Amino acid sequence: GENVEQHPSTLSVQEGDSAVIKCTYSDSASNYFPWYKQELGKGPQLIIDIRSNVGEKKDQRIAVTLNKTAKHFSLHITETQPEDSAVYFCAASKGSNYQLIWGAGTKLIIKP
Amino acid sequence: EAGVVQSPRYKIIEKKQPVAFWCNPISGHNTLYWYRQNLGQGPELLIRYENEEAVDDSQLPKDRFSAERLKGVDSTLKIQPAELGDSAVYLCASSLLKRDPYEQYFGPGTRLTVT
Repeated sequence: GENVEQHPSTLSVQEGDSAVIKCTYSDSASNYFPWYKQELGKGPQLIIDIRSNVGEKKDQRIAVTLNKTAKHFSLHITETQPEDSAVYFCAASKGSNYQLIWGAGTKLIIKP
Repeated sequence: EAGVVQSPRYKIIEKKQPVAFWCNPISGHNTLYWYRQNLGQGPELLIRYENEEAVDDSQLPKDRFSAERLKGVDSTLKIQPAELGDSAVYLCASSLLKRDPYEQYFGPGTRLTVT
């Protein structure tokens, strides 16, 4: 069936450095790719998304890139700060019923 | 704007007991989702409502799980009887179909522990 693979499962970076999380998807029909941030004890929060007609999108320190040919998309966080520490999930749309297929998550640790 | 509200936040029950979770979506959001999130994994969709109608319940274990969304606003998810494997965080999310059906807003979740 359709799935989304996410790497790495844990990422530790020095404060101020950049962090990159990568996802691959299998469903060629996927056309929406959101990224969610989940802090401890909270529900996931949408931080950025991209649709299949766009290759890159940026919002301040966060950017997402999409390569539809290779079925890859990535989250880039620049100038990381302690408050960026959280679990990040990627997802890809499935079919026409607005369902999302989720990755397994990446725990991002920002070292002071 | 108030966010998605869920209660209780935590629940501990013994196996074979029933349990219910409640969700109040963001005002005006007509689409409501229930997800289950196991430790270290992404959310898995259980059921999706558009207004009062369950439009996707294909992944809801119907032998023990049930859900309802009366009047197209609040929703309740029930498990009866609970099993040890049901221990997880149950998340509710909502979205506004006509604006962007994919942009989902999540509540804080209910952490269920079955002993």
